[in-house]
Amino acid sequence: NAGVTQTPKFRVLKTGQSMTLLCAQDMNHEYMYWYRQDPGMGLRLIHYSVGEGTTAKGEVPDGYNVSRLKKQNFLLGLESAAPSQTSVYFCASSPPPGLTHYEQYFGPGTRLTVT
Amino acid sequence: AQSVTQLGSHVSVSEGALVLLRCNYSSSVPPYLFWYVQYPNQGLQLLLKYTTGATLVKGINGFEAEFKKSETSFHLTKPSAHMSDAAEYFCACHSGGSNYKLTFGKGTLLTVNP
Repeated sequence: NAGVTQTPKFRVLKTGQSMTLLCAQDMNHEYMYWYRQDPGMGLRLIHYSVGEGTTAKGEVPDGYNVSRLKKQNFLLGLESAAPSQTSVYFCASSPPPGLTHYEQYFGPGTRLTVT
Repeated sequence: AQSVTQLGSHVSVSEGALVLLRCNYSSSVPPYLFWYVQYPNQGLQLLLKYTTGATLVKGINGFEAEFKKSETSFHLTKPSAHMSDAAEYFCACHSGGSNYKLTFGKGTLLTVNP
Protein backbone atom coordinates (compact mmCIF):
# COMPACT_ATOMS: atom_id res chain seq x y z
CA ASN A 1 0.00 0.00 0.00
CA ALA A 2 1.24 3.47 -0.87
CA GLY A 3 -0.87 5.01 1.91
CA VAL A 4 -1.45 8.72 1.32
CA THR A 5 0.33 10.33 -1.62
CA GLN A 6 0.48 13.97 -2.66
CA THR A 7 1.26 15.61 -5.98
CA PRO A 8 3.31 17.71 -6.56
CA LYS A 9 6.02 17.69 -3.89
CA PHE A 10 7.18 21.24 -4.60
CA ARG A 11 5.74 24.16 -6.51
CA VAL A 12 6.52 27.83 -7.00
CA LEU A 13 3.69 30.11 -8.10
CA LYS A 14 3.47 33.78 -8.94
CA THR A 15 0.84 35.86 -7.19
CA GLY A 16 -2.50 35.46 -8.92
CA GLN A 17 -1.77 32.11 -10.50
CA SER A 18 -3.92 29.09 -9.81
CA MET A 19 -3.07 25.49 -9.07
CA THR A 20 -4.51 22.24 -7.77
CA LEU A 21 -2.91 19.93 -5.24
CA LEU A 22 -3.85 16.28 -5.52
CA CYS A 23 -4.15 13.86 -2.63
CA ALA A 24 -4.76 10.16 -3.13
CA GLN A 25 -5.21 7.37 -0.58
CA ASP A 26 -5.45 3.63 -1.12
CA MET A 27 -6.72 2.69 2.36
CA ASN A 28 -10.42 3.05 1.49
CA HIS A 29 -10.78 5.75 4.13
CA GLU A 30 -14.02 7.72 4.30
CA TYR A 31 -12.57 10.92 5.79
CA MET A 32 -9.94 13.11 4.18
CA TYR A 33 -8.38 16.39 5.32
CA TRP A 34 -6.21 19.23 4.08
CA TYR A 35 -3.91 21.03 6.54
CA ARG A 36 -1.37 23.76 6.21
CA GLN A 37 1.75 23.91 8.37
CA ASP A 38 3.49 27.17 9.13
CA PRO A 39 6.40 27.77 11.52
CA GLY A 40 5.21 28.14 15.10
CA MET A 41 1.58 27.59 14.12
CA GLY A 42 1.36 23.82 14.12
CA LEU A 43 -1.15 22.27 11.73
CA ARG A 44 -4.31 24.13 10.81
CA LEU A 45 -7.24 22.44 9.10
CA ILE A 46 -8.24 24.03 5.80
CA HIS A 47 -11.07 21.78 4.56
CA TYR A 48 -12.19 18.24 5.17
CA SER A 49 -14.48 15.64 3.66
CA VAL A 50 -16.51 12.93 5.37
CA GLY A 51 -17.23 11.03 2.19
CA GLU A 52 -17.33 11.07 -1.58
CA GLY A 53 -19.13 14.15 -2.86
CA THR A 54 -19.02 16.00 0.48
CA THR A 55 -16.73 18.79 1.70
CA ALA A 56 -16.72 21.15 4.66
CA LYS A 57 -14.74 24.12 5.91
CA GLY A 58 -12.08 23.83 8.57
CA GLU A 59 -10.32 26.55 10.55
CA VAL A 60 -8.67 28.46 7.69
CA PRO A 61 -10.70 27.89 4.49
CA ASP A 62 -10.44 31.33 2.87
CA GLY A 63 -8.69 31.35 -0.50
CA TYR A 64 -9.03 27.59 -1.00
CA ASN A 65 -11.54 25.29 -2.61
CA VAL A 66 -11.77 21.51 -2.51
CA SER A 67 -13.47 18.66 -4.30
CA ARG A 68 -14.00 14.99 -3.51
CA LEU A 69 -15.35 13.46 -6.69
CA LYS A 70 -13.88 10.04 -5.94
CA LYS A 71 -13.51 8.42 -2.55
CA GLN A 72 -9.78 7.97 -2.95
CA ASN A 73 -8.97 11.51 -4.11
CA PHE A 74 -9.20 14.91 -2.42
CA LEU A 75 -8.21 17.98 -4.41
CA LEU A 76 -7.19 21.36 -2.97
CA GLY A 77 -7.42 24.35 -5.28
CA LEU A 78 -5.95 27.82 -5.07
CA GLU A 79 -7.82 30.05 -7.53
CA SER A 80 -5.63 33.14 -7.13
CA ALA A 81 -2.50 32.45 -5.12
CA ALA A 82 -1.24 34.98 -2.58
CA PRO A 83 2.11 35.16 -0.75
CA SER A 84 0.24 34.40 2.49
CA GLN A 85 -0.47 30.95 1.07
CA THR A 86 3.21 30.06 1.07
CA SER A 87 3.22 27.01 3.30
CA VAL A 88 3.62 23.26 3.49
CA TYR A 89 0.35 21.49 2.75
CA PHE A 90 -0.48 18.10 4.18
CA CYS A 91 -3.24 15.76 3.25
CA ALA A 92 -4.49 13.15 5.70
CA SER A 93 -7.11 10.44 5.75
CA SER A 94 -8.89 8.34 8.36
CA PRO A 95 -11.69 5.85 8.73
CA PRO A 96 -14.90 7.25 10.25
CA PRO A 97 -14.23 8.30 13.88
CA GLY A 98 -14.39 5.43 16.31
CA LEU A 99 -13.17 2.56 14.16
CA THR A 100 -9.44 3.01 14.81
CA HIS A 101 -9.65 5.47 17.64
CA TYR A 102 -9.40 8.60 15.60
CA GLU A 103 -5.82 8.73 14.35
CA GLN A 104 -5.17 10.23 10.95
CA TYR A 105 -2.69 9.08 8.32
CA PHE A 106 -0.61 11.75 6.64
CA GLY A 107 0.92 12.24 3.22
CA PRO A 108 4.49 13.52 2.68
CA GLY A 109 3.45 17.11 2.05
CA THR A 110 3.60 19.70 -0.73
CA ARG A 111 5.89 22.68 -0.26
CA LEU A 112 4.33 25.70 -1.98
CA THR A 113 5.99 29.07 -2.44
CA VAL A 114 4.05 32.04 -3.80
CA THR A 115 6.19 34.97 -4.98
CA ALA B 1 -13.58 23.31 22.99
CA GLN B 2 -10.51 21.21 23.28
CA SER B 3 -6.96 22.54 23.12
CA VAL B 4 -3.44 21.18 23.29
CA THR B 5 -0.45 22.99 24.74
CA GLN B 6 3.10 21.85 24.20
CA LEU B 7 5.50 23.47 26.63
CA GLY B 8 8.69 24.45 24.88
CA SER B 9 8.85 24.98 21.15
CA HIS B 10 12.45 23.77 21.14
CA VAL B 11 14.11 21.18 23.36
CA SER B 12 17.79 20.36 23.13
CA VAL B 13 19.36 17.27 24.72
CA SER B 14 22.66 15.44 24.54
CA GLU B 15 22.88 12.02 22.96
CA GLY B 16 22.15 9.43 25.65
CA ALA B 17 20.21 11.86 27.85
CA LEU B 18 16.57 11.61 28.86
CA VAL B 19 14.05 13.08 26.44
CA LEU B 20 10.98 14.73 27.98
CA LEU B 21 8.48 16.56 25.78
CA ARG B 22 5.52 18.06 27.58
CA CYS B 23 1.92 18.08 26.46
CA ASN B 24 -1.15 19.30 28.33
CA TYR B 25 -4.67 19.10 26.99
CA SER B 26 -7.98 20.67 27.73
CA SER B 27 -11.05 18.61 26.99
CA SER B 28 -14.53 18.39 28.46
CA VAL B 29 -14.65 14.64 27.90
CA PRO B 30 -12.07 11.86 28.29
CA PRO B 31 -9.82 12.38 25.32
CA TYR B 32 -7.97 10.20 22.90
CA LEU B 33 -4.36 11.37 22.78
CA PHE B 34 -1.63 11.01 20.20
CA TRP B 35 1.99 11.84 19.60
CA TYR B 36 3.14 12.27 16.03
CA VAL B 37 6.73 12.71 14.82
CA GLN B 38 7.81 14.66 11.76
CA TYR B 39 11.30 14.08 10.42
CA PRO B 40 12.79 16.82 8.22
CA ASN B 41 10.94 17.25 4.94
CA GLN B 42 8.56 14.40 5.69
CA GLY B 43 4.94 13.96 6.72
CA LEU B 44 3.64 13.17 10.19
CA GLN B 45 4.02 9.63 11.48
CA LEU B 46 2.09 8.23 14.43
CA LEU B 47 4.44 7.57 17.34
CA LEU B 48 1.93 6.32 19.92
CA LYS B 49 -1.63 6.77 21.09
CA TYR B 50 -3.74 6.56 24.22
CA THR B 51 -7.32 5.40 23.87
CA THR B 52 -8.51 3.59 27.00
CA GLY B 53 -7.02 1.18 29.51
CA ALA B 54 -3.36 1.27 30.51
CA THR B 55 -2.23 4.83 31.07
CA LEU B 56 1.40 4.14 30.15
CA VAL B 57 1.61 3.76 26.41
CA LYS B 58 4.61 2.46 24.52
CA GLY B 59 5.33 3.54 20.98
CA ILE B 60 7.89 3.09 18.28
CA ASN B 61 11.61 3.84 18.60
CA GLY B 62 11.63 3.44 22.40
CA PHE B 63 9.26 6.31 23.17
CA GLU B 64 6.51 6.12 25.73
CA ALA B 65 3.91 8.48 27.19
CA GLU B 66 1.80 8.46 30.30
CA PHE B 67 -1.77 9.71 30.46
CA LYS B 68 -2.37 11.54 33.74
CA LYS B 69 -5.99 12.59 34.00
CA SER B 70 -5.48 14.55 37.23
CA GLU B 71 -2.78 16.65 35.58
CA THR B 72 -4.42 16.70 32.11
CA SER B 73 -1.04 15.71 30.73
CA PHE B 74 0.38 13.29 28.19
CA HIS B 75 4.14 13.83 28.32
CA LEU B 76 6.43 11.95 25.94
CA THR B 77 9.64 10.38 27.22
CA LYS B 78 12.57 8.32 26.03
CA PRO B 79 15.28 7.19 28.45
CA SER B 80 18.21 7.71 26.11
CA ALA B 81 18.20 10.07 23.14
CA HIS B 82 19.68 9.05 19.83
CA MET B 83 20.81 11.33 17.06
CA SER B 84 18.08 9.88 14.85
CA ASP B 85 15.42 11.20 17.27
CA ALA B 86 16.01 14.75 16.05
CA ALA B 87 12.64 15.79 14.64
CA GLU B 88 9.53 17.82 15.40
CA TYR B 89 6.99 16.23 17.70
CA PHE B 90 3.30 17.02 17.79
CA CYS B 91 0.81 16.15 20.49
CA ALA B 92 -2.82 15.81 19.38
CA CYS B 93 -6.17 15.29 21.07
CA HIS B 94 -9.54 13.94 19.93
CA SER B 95 -12.69 14.16 22.01
CA GLY B 96 -14.27 11.03 20.59
CA GLY B 97 -17.74 10.47 19.21
CA SER B 98 -18.55 11.40 15.65
CA ASN B 99 -16.51 14.59 15.80
CA TYR B 100 -13.97 14.78 12.96
CA LYS B 101 -11.61 17.18 14.66
CA LEU B 102 -8.09 16.25 15.72
CA THR B 103 -6.59 19.16 17.64
CA PHE B 104 -2.82 19.58 17.38
CA GLY B 105 -0.34 21.37 19.57
CA LYS B 106 2.09 23.77 17.92
CA GLY B 107 4.93 21.26 18.01
CA THR B 108 8.26 20.83 19.79
CA LEU B 109 11.48 20.68 17.84
CA LEU B 110 13.88 18.20 19.41
CA THR B 111 17.59 18.70 18.81
CA VAL B 112 20.05 15.99 19.84
CA ASN B 113 23.64 17.08 20.38
CA PRO B 114 26.56 14.66 20.03
